[in-house]
Amino acid sequence: EAGVVQSPRYKIIEKKQPVAFWCNPISGHNTLYWYLQNLGQGPELLIRYENEEAVDDSQLPKDRFSAERLKGVDSTLKIQPAELGDSAVYLCASSPSTTEEAFFGQGTRLTVV
Amino acid sequence: QKEVEQDPGPLSVPEGAIVSLNCTYSNSAFQYFMWYRQYSRKGPELLMYTYSSGNKEDGRFTAQVDKSSKYISLFIRDSQPSDSATYLCAMSALDSSYKLIFGSGTRLLVRP
Repeated sequence: EAGVVQSPRYKIIEKKQPVAFWCNPISGHNTLYWYLQNLGQGPELLIRYENEEAVDDSQLPKDRFSAERLKGVDSTLKIQPAELGDSAVYLCASSPSTTEEAFFGQGTRLTVV
Repeated sequence: QKEVEQDPGPLSVPEGAIVSLNCTYSNSAFQYFMWYRQYSRKGPELLMYTYSSGNKEDGRFTAQVDKSSKYISLFIRDSQPSDSATYLCAMSALDSSYKLIFGSGTRLLVRP
């Protein structure tokens, strides 16, 4: 069974430019998460989806971050405009349901210069 | 104070040693407890998942949850150099959020 797939693996952009990350969860997993991981820290939740619905986006900086999960499968996370402080690893995870274990993708390492 | 505290290490042990990794937490509502292993430049990989208190064993790994002390542990027996990684604890509450709260991770080095 294929795991959570994320692309790109690495992205370098100049500040004030837009950037987008893509995630394909494990087949059949209804719950999808986007996490942010800074160096030396644990992942922090940005947004959680139950199918197409964003049920927890309280930690998403909505002035510059947006996310969507059309048709309840793939998801994209966008930053516009990017700031230097956005440099981090963006992780996508999925689980069969909210109360079950989450499986992570490899992450996208973003560097804003 | 963070909801989940974890010693960052690094923890250096010789091959074959028993490793003990720990997390403490402050939210008594946490019911789901997980341990993840993260190799450098990789995503977290789920190792153990437990619900509520008690022990769970899987091969060389044993997870323990002590809810009365708000303390969880991961034991690794017969540690191998391939176990060298960062170990993250994570937990969530049985409420409407179900948000996973992670510790900052403990870096483990197993010396050959």
